[in-house]
Amino acid sequence: DAKTTQPNSMESNEEEPVHLPCNHSTISGTDYIHWYRQLPSQGPEYVIHGLTSNVNNRMASLAIAEDRKSSTLILHRATLRDAAVYYCILLSNFGNEKLTFGTGTRLTIIP
Amino acid sequence: DAMVIQNPRYQVTQFGKPVTLSCSQTLNHNVMYWYQQKSSQAPKLLFHYYDKDFNNEADTPDNFQSRRPNTSFCFLDIRSPGLGDTAMYLCATSRDHGYIDYYGYTFGSGTRLTVV
Repeated sequence: DAKTTQPNSMESNEEEPVHLPCNHSTISGTDYIHWYRQLPSQGPEYVIHGLTSNVNNRMASLAIAEDRKSSTLILHRATLRDAAVYYCILLSNFGNEKLTFGTGTRLTIIP
Repeated sequence: DAMVIQNPRYQVTQFGKPVTLSCSQTLNHNVMYWYQQKSSQAPKLLFHYYDKDFNNEADTPDNFQSRRPNTSFCFLDIRSPGLGDTAMYLCATSRDHGYIDYYGYTFGSGTRLTVV
């Protein structure tokens, strides 16, 4: 399975943009890049996913490097409710791969 | 709202006493998953059902079993819980394995199991 590398923790000020990096240097051509987050005492929730092009949705934006070896999840204006563990996960669109969580990045929002 | 519901939210059981955790979904998704999450760790997949087809992960202990009597419900049975089975148990669903109409996995809020 292709692996991802994320910083263990990050801090950001409230109401400022947050850029969460993820390295995936061994990504294959069929791997989609997924982001999930887990708020305290909750199950994980889907944030966004993409293959090659940058993606936007109501929660976040996903910027994917041209060589696809790294990506960045962008929260445009962090709130205290964005404090969570953010997981970057690769999933192939072939076969029956399942969501496998790495250690993720614990994001702390400073009021 | 369509969702994944886990009951109970908290469960305390005695060492060696069988326990069942339940999960229901109103999403009509084909796939249901059970994850185990120990304190300060990432969720770990135990097994999943694709429709009625059961798929066990290679390192899931035999002590853990699952049942899916219909599309909406899935149960996690721990036959003889040990102290090391204290964890959050998360149920999740997905429409399918592929990417047509992909909306990701939907997780329940989890059942926090304590074995004493």
